[in-house]
Amino acid sequence: KNQVEQSPQSLIILEGKNCTLQCNYTVSPFSNLRWYKQDTGRGPVSLTIMTFSENTKSNGRYTATLDADTKQSSLHITASQLSDSASYICVVSDSGGGADGLTFGKGTHLIIQP
Amino acid sequence: DAGVIQSPRHEVTEMGQEVTLRCKPISGHNSLFWYRQTMMRGLELLIYFNNNVPIDDSGMPEDRFSAKMPNASFSTLKIQPSEPRDSAVYFCASSFYGENYEQYFGPGTRLTVT
Repeated sequence: KNQVEQSPQSLIILEGKNCTLQCNYTVSPFSNLRWYKQDTGRGPVSLTIMTFSENTKSNGRYTATLDADTKQSSLHITASQLSDSASYICVVSDSGGGADGLTFGKGTHLIIQP
Repeated sequence: DAGVIQSPRHEVTEMGQEVTLRCKPISGHNSLFWYRQTMMRGLELLIYFNNNVPIDDSGMPEDRFSAKMPNASFSTLKIQPSEPRDSAVYFCASSFYGENYEQYFGPGTRLTVT
């Protein structure tokens, strides 16, 4: 069964600090991996999407890495800001191409404290 | 540009009542998705449409749930009769059809069934 596990479940850090969120998956075959940011009371918003051939992708202060061999991804946030407080969801797609091939992680709840 | 529009934003109803959630996708998108999100289970895909045609409804929990997309600019998710365990946030998302195409989420409808 395809699974996506995210860690930690929740994280509290001080403003200005860096942090790294982890995503391990067992989805096979693999097509792409996405990271979403979900602010409280809002829908998820895409941060990055990575295919098999990509191992690093940046979006401002967000940098995602992908190791397709170990089936691991990380999302690194640099110089955190209060607005980074949100849930971060990892989503992995198999090569079927349809939406039914998406497997969602349960997310990491990140709190940035001033 | 208007994003995905959902209504109502909040719905409180009594067990046994019919509930209808509405979604207007982004103009020009040809895929539409209905998701449910709870703390325990995270985001779950309920059903999705390509070009107004339901492709996969295997995520619909029971026959009490039904979804329609009469045209490219409107979709409904209906629960009849509603039960307390249906309480969740329901998201609609839209995209261009295709494996790596980005899904854009609406703000969600928070449903509470008492």
